[in-house]
Amino acid sequence: EAGVAQSPRYKIIEKRQSVAFWCNPISGHATLYWYQQILGQGPKLLIQFQNNGVVDDSQLPKDRFSAERLKGVDSTLKIQPAKLEDSAVYLCASSPGQPRSYNEQFFGPGTRLTVL
Amino acid sequence: GENVEQHPSTLSVQEGDSAVIKCTYSDSASNYFPWYKQELGKRPQLIIDIRSNVGEKKDQRIAVTLNKTAKHFSLHITETQPEDSAVYFCAAFTGANNLFFGTGTRLTVIP
Repeated sequence: EAGVAQSPRYKIIEKRQSVAFWCNPISGHATLYWYQQILGQGPKLLIQFQNNGVVDDSQLPKDRFSAERLKGVDSTLKIQPAKLEDSAVYLCASSPGQPRSYNEQFFGPGTRLTVL
Repeated sequence: GENVEQHPSTLSVQEGDSAVIKCTYSDSASNYFPWYKQELGKRPQLIIDIRSNVGEKKDQRIAVTLNKTAKHFSLHITETQPEDSAVYFCAAFTGANNLFFGTGTRLTVIP
């Protein structure tokens, strides 16, 4: 089966600019996650969707980050305006089942964001 | 919230030796513990996992042990090979239905 797709793979912007990332999960996967992975750290969950609804966005910096999954398939994550500390790899993952019982999460290749 | 600590941060072993990575967690409601391998510039990939009703699980050269009382779990890799070199992350699926990752261990297998 095709894996999780993300684009772009790399993005360089200046601080205070805006940026958007796109994710296409594995077909049929109901749950979608966005993670932020800062260099040298483990992935940190930003937001979790079940179909087109938000399950958990408690760790999303809502003053500058937003995400949507309007049709319950593709998702976009936006940062506006970006700060230097947003430099990281943004990973999208999907899983097939209900969020309240663990299902393996399949990760995309990530988008490496550099904020100058 | 959950706090997952992972040690060591770096580990070098000779090819053929064993490697052990340890993690502790804080949320007693955590019930699922996956381990991910991440090669440089690549996505994390699940290599083994264990549920809270099991104490040990093995898959060829890889094994994971879980001590629920002490709230720690470990990854064991035997007969290490150069292709085992990567960053390994432990994670805990918490009672709040989120996956929390450790800080990672960079394993280097020296040929």
